[in-house]
Amino acid sequence: DTAVSQTPKYLVTQMGNDKSIKCEQNLGHDTMYWYKQDSKKFLKIMFSYNNKELIINETVPNRFSPKSPDKAHLNLHINSLELGDSAVYFCASSQYSVSGRDSSYGYTFGSGTRLTVV
Amino acid sequence: GENVEQHPSTLSVQEGDSAVIKCTYSDSASNYFPWYKQELGKGPQLIIDIRSNVGEKKDQRIAVTLNKTAKHFSLHITETQPEDSAVYFCAASNRGGTSYGKLTFGQGTILTVHP
Repeated sequence: DTAVSQTPKYLVTQMGNDKSIKCEQNLGHDTMYWYKQDSKKFLKIMFSYNNKELIINETVPNRFSPKSPDKAHLNLHINSLELGDSAVYFCASSQYSVSGRDSSYGYTFGSGTRLTVV
Repeated sequence: GENVEQHPSTLSVQEGDSAVIKCTYSDSASNYFPWYKQELGKGPQLIIDIRSNVGEKKDQRIAVTLNKTAKHFSLHITETQPEDSAVYFCAASNRGGTSYGKLTFGQGTILTVHP
């Protein structure tokens, strides 16, 4: 039973198209994230939602629009795809509202969506 | 904002040797430092983490040390095995700040363990 699942795993599309990536987590976490991993493996945060509310919005083109219908889902829609959008996109979740010495702050990542724009 | 530097970018060791990866961070308010392992075709997986009120933490063959004064932390893997080969990432965050625990990652280290 996958904790953080993303679909699709692979996405090949032409420049100018619009595409969506979906993410779901069954861990009961209150916070979800989108990270972009470029060809050099660098992981950079794009967005974060806490209980369906957008809390982090890094410098990302407004062609990228996240949507969180509930705290278990975070989708990413990309308009007018460009060659430079090619990357692996990772969804992650964590429980931000925790306290206590043994509470886990760690992220759980999905397996990624490899987007190739041709 | 936070900036995390990670070294080396590649590390090659013989099976059974130790491996050490080092990271420095810039924001003195950061208080949570996890390490992730990413295998080919998979998402990063948390392997160990440390909070700023602790100087060292160990879990079997892996250990992490933190020097808050110098703002650096390190991952130590002993008795390396070929299955330890992967990309390792360090990260830092300020859990009590306004960034909602946003993790800033280092650039990654490709570890290769030769049999």
